[in-house]
Parts: sequence; structure tokens; C-alpha cells
Amino acid sequence: GESVGLHLPTLSVQEGDNSIINCAYSNSASDYFIWYKQESGKGPQFIIDIRSNMDKRQGQRVTVLLNKTVKHLSLQIAATQPGDSAVYFCAEGSGGYNKLIFGAGTRLAVHP
Amino acid sequence: EAGVTQFPSHSVIEKGQTVTLRCDPISGHDNLYWYRRVMGKEIKFLLHFVKESKQDESGMPNNRFLAERTGGTYSTLKVQPAELEDSGVYFCASSSQGGISNTEAFFGQGTRLTVV
Repeated sequence: GESVGLHLPTLSVQEGDNSIINCAYSNSASDYFIWYKQESGKGPQFIIDIRSNMDKRQGQRVTVLLNKTVKHLSLQIAATQPGDSAVYFCAEGSGGYNKLIFGAGTRLAVHP
Repeated sequence: EAGVTQFPSHSVIEKGQTVTLRCDPISGHDNLYWYRRVMGKEIKFLLHFVKESKQDESGMPNNRFLAERTGGTYSTLKVQPAELEDSGVYFCASSSQGGISNTEAFFGQGTRLTVV
């Protein structure tokens, strides 16, 4: 079916290390992908997006990589900080980009 | 500028009762979306408004759910009668123009609905 899933439900990292959160998608027709961060009691917050004509995009401390061959998306967070602790969702754009398909989420726990 | 606000933040109702969730999008945002996340599962699309018109309601689970956006400003999502499986967190998001890919969609904090 058309769904976006995640390899790891929970990721624990040490403060200062780099984090990599992975996501697999099944709809090869999807051409827009977003990473969201959700902190406790808040709604999803946009982090970074990427279109299928790109394989890498960088933001502030974050990098998204897209591998269309294997339908894989990853979010890299450099020098992970305690404030990065949250649930991270990948999502793919569908239906003219007005309908997002979300993955189940990965919880990132940053330890001092 | 105020973000997307949702009310209430929590609601606990009995099976068979009616609940109405409200979403106030960012002022001037024509696009309004409803999503929900049931326990342990993905956030799923419910529907999309462009101003007061329903652009896409393919994600609405059944006819117990009714969404409105009179006047193209705030939106309500009514569940009547509520069932146990309706429990979850209901998110609203808005964006200014085009689709989500054209401008960032801002999400509200969500309404946690518990049906007992």
C-alpha cells in the first residue's frame, strides 16, 4: 500500500553525537518529502523538506538525504542537543501536495 | 502573529456522545487541513479546505465525522456519535497559498480526544 514507515521506533544518542533517523516509503510516485519534529504537547513542526529532483538538502544542523532507488529518506542531525529530543516524523506529499502521508514516528532521546 | 490554535486541548467523552473540535488557522491562510493520530499509529490525513470549500475529504473515516469551515475562517470537526476507536489526537494545520509543497504548513498543538 501507499505508506511511509520508519526503521527504528526509538533512537538514543549522546549529546554532541550525530543522529540519523531513517524512513522508508513505498509510493514511488511521491516526489515531495518533509521531516517534522513533534515535542510533547505540541503539534508537528516543519524541519526540512526535499523534492525528488534532489538527493540532498541541508539546513541548520540538519541534512535530509533522499535515495529514490531504494525509496529511502533520512534525517541527519549534527551535534545533537537535549533540545532535539522529540518524535520525528517523515511524510510524503501526495495528491497534489495537499495530502501528506506520515510515518509512525521515531522517538529521539538525547542523553547528557 | 498567533499560530494555529485548537480548542479544546483535551476532551473526554462517553461513547455515543457528540464532540466538536475547533481550529483557528493563521490569519489569512486559505488552506486548512485536519489530520488525526490514533494511538500508536501514523498521523493520517482527514480533509483539506480551501477557504470554505472542501477540496479533498478522502480521509474522513465515515459519516459520523463532519467538518465545516463557514466563512473560510475557523473550522470545526464534529464527531457524532463518538465511538471508542475515534480516540486519538486531532491536528489542524494551515498554509497560505498553493499546496503544502509551496508554503510551509503550520500545525496546531492538537486536541486529544478520549472516548470512554
